[in-house]
Amino acid sequence: KNQVEQSPQSLIILEGKNCTLQCNYTVSPFSNLRWYKQDTGRGPVSLTIMTFSENTKSNGRYTATLDADTKQSSLHITASQLSDSASYICVVSELGGATNKLIFGTGTLLAVQP
Amino acid sequence: DAGITQSPRHKVTETGTPVTLRCHQTENHRYMYWYRQDPGHGLRLIHYSYGVKDTDKGEVSDGYSVSRSKTEDFLLTLESATSSQTSVYFCAISSSRDRNTEAFFGQGTRLTVV
Repeated sequence: KNQVEQSPQSLIILEGKNCTLQCNYTVSPFSNLRWYKQDTGRGPVSLTIMTFSENTKSNGRYTATLDADTKQSSLHITASQLSDSASYICVVSELGGATNKLIFGTGTLLAVQP
Repeated sequence: DAGITQSPRHKVTETGTPVTLRCHQTENHRYMYWYRQDPGHGLRLIHYSYGVKDTDKGEVSDGYSVSRSKTEDFLLTLESATSSQTSVYFCAISSSRDRNTEAFFGQGTRLTVV
């Protein structure tokens, strides 16, 4: 069964600190891996998209890595800000069909405290 | 939110009544999707559309129907609402099924069935 597992479920860090969120997946065939940020009460917003051949992709203070061999990804947040408090969702796209199927993880809830 | 409007944003309805949620886009994107988000689950695909009058089922389509009579509008109907359909519903759009294509999400509709 195609699955996306994220850890930790929740995380509390102090403002200015760094953190790393993890994503493991079993999706095959693989098309791409995405990280989304979802603020409370809003829809997910894309941070990065990585294909099979990409190892790292950055978007400001967000850096995503992908190891397609071990089927693992991480999202590193540098110098966290209060506005980074949100749920971070790992999404893997399964190749094929009329549209690429997106398989969502359950998210890591990040709280950044002053 | 990439020109996506969901309506209503909040709705409370009684068991057994029909409910229609609307997704309106101004991006002229071909693909439109309806997802539901529940605690402990990643977003799950209900139905999607790959063009006007072209729709298909997702993984949790039972009890739901959709229609797309215009490029900009994608309607989700709960034929006879049940308490298990209490959820937050998200509409998403994308311009193609190519592997790096962004998917943009609306702000969500919180539906409560009592």
